[in-house]
Amino acid sequence: TQLLEQSPQFLSIQEGENLTVYCNSSSVFSSLQWYRQEPGEGPVLLVTVVTGGEVKKLKRLTFQFGDARKDSSLHITAAQPGDTGLYLCAGDRGNTGKLIFGQGTTLQVKP
Amino acid sequence: DTAVSQTPKYLVTQMGNDKSIKCEQNLGHDTMYWYKQDSKKFLKIMFSYNNKELIINETVPNRFSPKSPDKAHLNLHINSLELGDSAVYFCASSQDQLGGGYTFGSGTRLTVV
Repeated sequence: TQLLEQSPQFLSIQEGENLTVYCNSSSVFSSLQWYRQEPGEGPVLLVTVVTGGEVKKLKRLTFQFGDARKDSSLHITAAQPGDTGLYLCAGDRGNTGKLIFGQGTTLQVKP
Repeated sequence: DTAVSQTPKYLVTQMGNDKSIKCEQNLGHDTMYWYKQDSKKFLKIMFSYNNKELIINETVPNRFSPKSPDKAHLNLHINSLELGDSAVYFCASSQDQLGGGYTFGSGTRLTVV
């Protein structure tokens, strides 16, 4: 059983469309992070959220941490081909430094 | 100048061999990790070291032995390689053992034939 469930697992959209990726759990996390990974490279940290209800924006990307700190979402506005990649959510259950990863969402943005 | 560097990038070896992967970080971070990414892209923690001390050791076969000569280096030695060990291994570091954001290396793709 996956502790962090990401949905959808695959997403193929046209340039300019909006999308949302979800990361859900029945467990509470002290912090949650989002990463983007490109082929042949390691994941790159996009954002860390620590407070329930927190919203962070990174250009066209909006990240939200659920009020109960059990879930998170990533919303991309006006997706571009450069957004293509594997998006991973990862949570820390007790400030242990041990990150539990979701299974990832593969996003393809077609020009 | 690469923040977290791992070598080699690719490793192809036969079953039963012993191999090592090296990792170095120049970020001044206290904590380093080894993660394994399987063919479905799922990342799972293997080990974590804080200032050369082992703090996380997941259920990993004891054929895998990490070594941290100093806080900037964390190497992974694997004995008696098996087909199921084929995966991409990532080294990562963070400021301290509370986590925060990780900086990952670019990975080592291990193929056991």
